[in-house]
Amino acid sequence: EPEVTQTPSHQVTQMGQEVILRCVPISNHLYFYWYRQILGQKVEFLVSFYNNEISEKSEIFDDQFSVERPDGSNFTLKIRSTKLEDSAMYFCASSVSGGRADTQYFGPGTRLTVL
Amino acid sequence: KQEVTQIPAALSVPEGENLVLNCSFTDSAIYNLQWFRQDPGKGLTSLLLIQSSQREQTSGRLNASLDKSSGRSTLYIAASQPGDSATYLCAVRPGGGSNYKLTFGKGTLLTVNP
Repeated sequence: EPEVTQTPSHQVTQMGQEVILRCVPISNHLYFYWYRQILGQKVEFLVSFYNNEISEKSEIFDDQFSVERPDGSNFTLKIRSTKLEDSAMYFCASSVSGGRADTQYFGPGTRLTVL
Repeated sequence: KQEVTQIPAALSVPEGENLVLNCSFTDSAIYNLQWFRQDPGKGLTSLLLIQSSQREQTSGRLNASLDKSSGRSTLYIAASQPGDSATYLCAVRPGGGSNYKLTFGKGTLLTVNP
């Protein structure tokens, strides 16, 4: 069964450094998402992406964040200058159509630790 | 602003018991509702999706119901097994069709004891 994959599974970085989290969505899906979950807290929406542009973003997704689909298979989240509070599990998700019956499928996550 | 609440926060049951997990949401104008399972340190596995026009969905031993007007959904697990132990998350997508973000509850941690 097709799955969303994410790399790396764990990333440790120093505060102020740039990180890029990578995702390979399910191949026939057209909608892509990033969510994050700070330890012990709810899963929070960051951004949705369709047709090579952001379709929706949350207040968390400020100028330090960006997303890109650099080729036909990868979807990336970049954090330009990491802060301690960016430490979280980051989940990529994808879905087929964005319609009412559209299930979002999640990847296994990347645990980001900012020191 | 949509708020999603899940009760109870934790539940421990003996194997074989039938159980109900609850989810409530403050804004009834939803597009759909999804139930997920999350194992410790892992990603989210989609279990069931109920569209706003539907009342329930079933998959194997799982049955999810939706009462949109009262802002409630329940996940019924029949004949629970130790392998069902996980955190169960409820998430709603707002109405309108052009909003894609899911708003999650904090989850119910289920432990099924052999």
